[in-house]
Amino acid sequence: QVHLQESGPGLVKPSQTLSLTCTVSGGSIRSGSYYWTWIRQPAGKGLEWIGHIYASGSTNYNPSLKGRVNMLVDTSNNQFSLKLSSVTAADTAVYYCVGGRVSWKDYFDSWGQGALVSVSS
Amino acid sequence: DIQMTQSPSSLSASVGDRVSITCRASESITTYLNWYQQIPGTAPKLLIYAASTLQSGVPSRFSGSGSGTDFTLTISSLQPEDFATYYCQQSYTTPYTFGGGTKVEIK
Repeated sequence: QVHLQESGPGLVKPSQTLSLTCTVSGGSIRSGSYYWTWIRQPAGKGLEWIGHIYASGSTNYNPSLKGRVNMLVDTSNNQFSLKLSSVTAADTAVYYCVGGRVSWKDYFDSWGQGALVSVSS
Repeated sequence: DIQMTQSPSSLSASVGDRVSITCRASESITTYLNWYQQIPGTAPKLLIYAASTLQSGVPSRFSGSGSGTDFTLTISSLQPEDFATYYCQQSYTTPYTFGGGTKVEIK
């Protein structure tokens, strides 16, 4: 397993862009063992997969977010990032960066502690 | 999207009880099914992957079974540290989806 830590603003205004960075330690982001994932959880609710990115830069996003998502990987700093545009109050949630294990059956075995992002004016 | 439905949504049990949680997928996911435990205020923790494989370091009182559309997480003897919310998740196809969660409370 690797260690992940989210960072970024905790408050974003409506219609603006939410930006978070995840720093990976205890392993290389270039490792073929993982793909790099964002998952969110509104207060008191369940988990929603936002999408993931491979070290190559290849991405896969949740269509429910209607093209508002962009993920990037920064291999030189062992980081990956999330940008979510045109945010509304419905995007208020704890955002987790997660290591998805590349395996015969994928699973999420390394989670950051989570970053609460509130959307409010 | 594949819908994941957990039941019950909550249950009350005592220490030492045997507890089972069910997860149903809206279509066959063979054994692409994972289980997570979430203690309030913390990130989810992987318990079981590929329907029945215990993650390293997870106590053996946890077990998983099932294939196709119906899956079960069983805790053979509930311990105080097991009071938490449990989620199933399919990794068969994207968008990956989670069940709504089952909250296990102290009776």
